[in-house]
Amino acid sequence: AQSVAQPEDQVNVAEGNPLTVKCTYSVSGNPYLFWYVQYPNRGLQFLLKYITGDNLVKGSYGFEAEFNKSQTSFHLKKPSALVSDSALYFCAVRDPPGTGNNRKLIWGLGTSLAVNP
Amino acid sequence: DADVTQTPRNRITKTGKRIMLECSQTKGHDRMYWYRQDPGLGLRLIYYSFDVKDINKGEISDGYSVSRQAQAKFSLSLESAIPNQTALYFCATSDLRTGGDTGELFFGEGSRLTVL
Repeated sequence: AQSVAQPEDQVNVAEGNPLTVKCTYSVSGNPYLFWYVQYPNRGLQFLLKYITGDNLVKGSYGFEAEFNKSQTSFHLKKPSALVSDSALYFCAVRDPPGTGNNRKLIWGLGTSLAVNP
Repeated sequence: DADVTQTPRNRITKTGKRIMLECSQTKGHDRMYWYRQDPGLGLRLIYYSFDVKDINKGEISDGYSVSRQAQAKFSLSLESAIPNQTALYFCATSDLRTGGDTGELFFGEGSRLTVL
């Protein structure tokens, strides 16, 4: 069955340090992978996606994510964290068109990122 | 103005009452979704619609119904609200044409519902 895991409920990092928010998935084939961010009292916003091509994907606000097929991971990274990056981050996966149940996203449970000044 | 607008943003109601949450979008997208967010449970899909005449159940449709009144409007109804429907509800849209089939979603700001 399709699944997405975000193994850390919370990540704490000091401002200026690099950050990583982890995501692993269990989907057959070549899935589409996404990261979304939810700031306090706001809706979710799309950050970046991996469909195909270069394993390193760059997105909004200086974030990037690396697709690792052998480890079935899609970790979100940023070289230098800002206090304003503090938010809830969601990983999501979807089957590619023509396979399985590709109409819906499968969501991780979210990771709360706290960047301390 | 927001591209995806949800009303009301906050609502407190009593058990047994009928509640409607409304969503309208100015993005011209064909696909619309209703999600529910609960702490520790992430996002769960309630219903989705890929076209005005297309309505599909999601993971947790029991106790909910939807209406796609027009391409731009998608409402969620709780016919008889119960306390475990207390949650944050999100409407989202996506577009096959501009987003391809990749599934990028655009979310509203959320509707916080409390059922007493």
